[in-house]
Amino acid sequence: AQSVTQLDSQVPVFEEAPVELRCNYSSSVSVYLFWYVQYPNQGLQLLLKYLSGSTLVKGINGFEAEFNKSQTSFHLRKPSVHISDTAEYFCAVSSNDYKLSFGAGTTVTVRA
Amino acid sequence: GAVVSQHPSRVICKSGTSVKIECRSLDFQATTMFWYRQFPKQSLMLMATSNEGSKATYEQGVEKDKFLINHASLTLSTLTVTSAHPEDSSFYICSARWTGETQYFGPGTRLLVL
Repeated sequence: AQSVTQLDSQVPVFEEAPVELRCNYSSSVSVYLFWYVQYPNQGLQLLLKYLSGSTLVKGINGFEAEFNKSQTSFHLRKPSVHISDTAEYFCAVSSNDYKLSFGAGTTVTVRA
Repeated sequence: GAVVSQHPSRVICKSGTSVKIECRSLDFQATTMFWYRQFPKQSLMLMATSNEGSKATYEQGVEKDKFLINHASLTLSTLTVTSAHPEDSSFYICSARWTGETQYFGPGTRLLVL
């Protein structure tokens, strides 16, 4: 079984400032890691994923994440946020059964 | 590519009635479809996994007789909430995958049971 902990429930940030959303996971087997974004009353959109290979993963909308196996982390970063990045962000993990386990989510609020 | 649709987007029903929610993969054949439930300000909880032509696998604590899942084709899965009650009010989201690890999510269906 695997689990995901998102360390920050809410992250307020000013426009054009950098943001980092922290995610730690636990699993007894090899995992696949994902970050999804959810806008109000909508489904989830995939930002990026780590399956194997390079530990630095680049996604859509200028986001990137780094897989750190020793620290069991998969933190999400963006160097300069926009108002439109205001949303809920979910870190998720799956293994060979393809079932996703989600973290509790991080609400990002970007202010002008 | 990889678009998943859900219908309806919102539904209001009376307590005791049944509601069917459709999940379709529009541009790919879905080997597996998943159904999630999300309460306000909370994360997604996996309810069940369905593979085309076989019975759904339900997560612990999910009543299979209440949440009927049918995956009749490679592009369509349905979730029927039977004898709905106010506590079943929630946001229901489906996802689909064909090969590989990535799931693609539908836009969700908001169910309100009065």
